[in-house]
Amino acid sequence: QSVLTQPPSVSGAPGQRVTISCTGSSSNIGAGFDVHWYQQLPGTAPKLLIYGNSYRPSGVPDRFSGSKSGTSASLAITGLQAEDEADYYCQSYDSSLSGVVFGGGTKLTVL
Amino acid sequence: QVQLQESGPGLVKPSQTLSLTCTVSGGSISSGSYYWSWIRQPAGKGLEWIGRIYASGSTNYNPSLKSRVTISVDTYKNQFSLKLSSVTAADTAVYYCARTHNIQFDFWGQGTLVTVSS
Repeated sequence: QSVLTQPPSVSGAPGQRVTISCTGSSSNIGAGFDVHWYQQLPGTAPKLLIYGNSYRPSGVPDRFSGSKSGTSASLAITGLQAEDEADYYCQSYDSSLSGVVFGGGTKLTVL
Repeated sequence: QVQLQESGPGLVKPSQTLSLTCTVSGGSISSGSYYWSWIRQPAGKGLEWIGRIYASGSTNYNPSLKSRVTISVDTYKNQFSLKLSSVTAADTAVYYCARTHNIQFDFWGQGTLVTVSS
């Protein structure tokens, strides 16, 4: 059971928009800690996709965007492409656990 | 561009100590306000943060693993290391090292699979 809750899977057709939610609590996201998102392509290490809730590292397409509100955060992907098929993880910090926490991950399937 | 590379035994016997090293290239482990972290991922499962270390040697550990984990740093070799004691099959996973800026992991190693089995 992960501290941050993500849907196990989402899917969309090429060109569509999908969103992935990340629900936390008052000791992590709701406490004001930033949310970060990672993309893990099959057989590879995770890659930082969004940091500080909504900022993209250099080289990440602007099709990817992040937002945060209250105790939840979301990752949106527009103009879905086949190469976006991957696992996506949210991450934050939890003050009760005094440590970094991850969501359980969401598998994105491009139909 | 910073690069990280994990190294160490791929097979560890139950009850023994898992030891891994992460070698950092393309930048000094002592420069900047970065922590250096270990994260693991059992096959088909999600990511679990193990702990992190600053160049000064200051550490933070996942409370669920704290009693078994030691992370150390060797600034001269530009390396940091993980020791996990009393391992069981549940510790079988791909282990990643990563550079940590604030609490996000901005550069990752490729990962190394460690299997706990007799």
